[in-house]
Amino acid sequence: KQEVTQIPAALSVPEGENLVLNCSFTDSAIYNLQWFRQDPGKGLTSLLLIQSSQREQTSGRLNASLDKSSGRSTLYIAASQPGDSATYLCAVLGGATNKLIFGTGTLLAVQP
Amino acid sequence: EAQVTQNPRYLITVTGKKLTVTCSQNMNHEYMSWYRQDPGLGLRQIYYSMNVEVTDKGDVPEGYKVSRKEKRNFPLILESPSPNQTSLYFCASSSSWTGVYEQYFGPGTRLTVT
Repeated sequence: KQEVTQIPAALSVPEGENLVLNCSFTDSAIYNLQWFRQDPGKGLTSLLLIQSSQREQTSGRLNASLDKSSGRSTLYIAASQPGDSATYLCAVLGGATNKLIFGTGTLLAVQP
Repeated sequence: EAQVTQNPRYLITVTGKKLTVTCSQNMNHEYMSWYRQDPGLGLRQIYYSMNVEVTDKGDVPEGYKVSRKEKRNFPLILESPSPNQTSLYFCASSSSWTGVYEQYFGPGTRLTVT
């Protein structure tokens, strides 16, 4: 059974710092891995999607990498801003199950 | 505007009173799904649909029903709600399930069952 883990569960950094969020999964048979952002009381916003054949994706200050063989993904946020404060979730779409399995998220606080 | 809409956004009900949460998308997506989000447990998939008239169970389907009669709509039905179904519910859609396309989420429905 696919399990997705995110470390750390919470992170507080000063504005301007570069940071890395980690996501690990137990079954490498995936179609894709997607990073989402969730603001309090709100829905999920897709940030980046990495297909199983890709190694990384970039969007603005965000860069996500995927190492399928080791079951790991990282989300790199450059020059963090207070507006980046949110919960970041990773999710994998299982190749055998067609199910999207989520991690429990990393709560990020960027201090002004 | 491309979006996934859910109604109602907030609902307080009593045990056993049947309810339906609607979900609609305007992007002509084939794949739709429902999730619930609970503190400490994260998001868990309830049901998904790969196309019209094709639905399948996710990880936590007990106590829920779905139907997909039209491509754009995917309602979630609770025939006899219980307090353990108190949760934040999200509907999502995607062009297909093949992994190439990202998932779009609705704004969520906060359900309280007393």
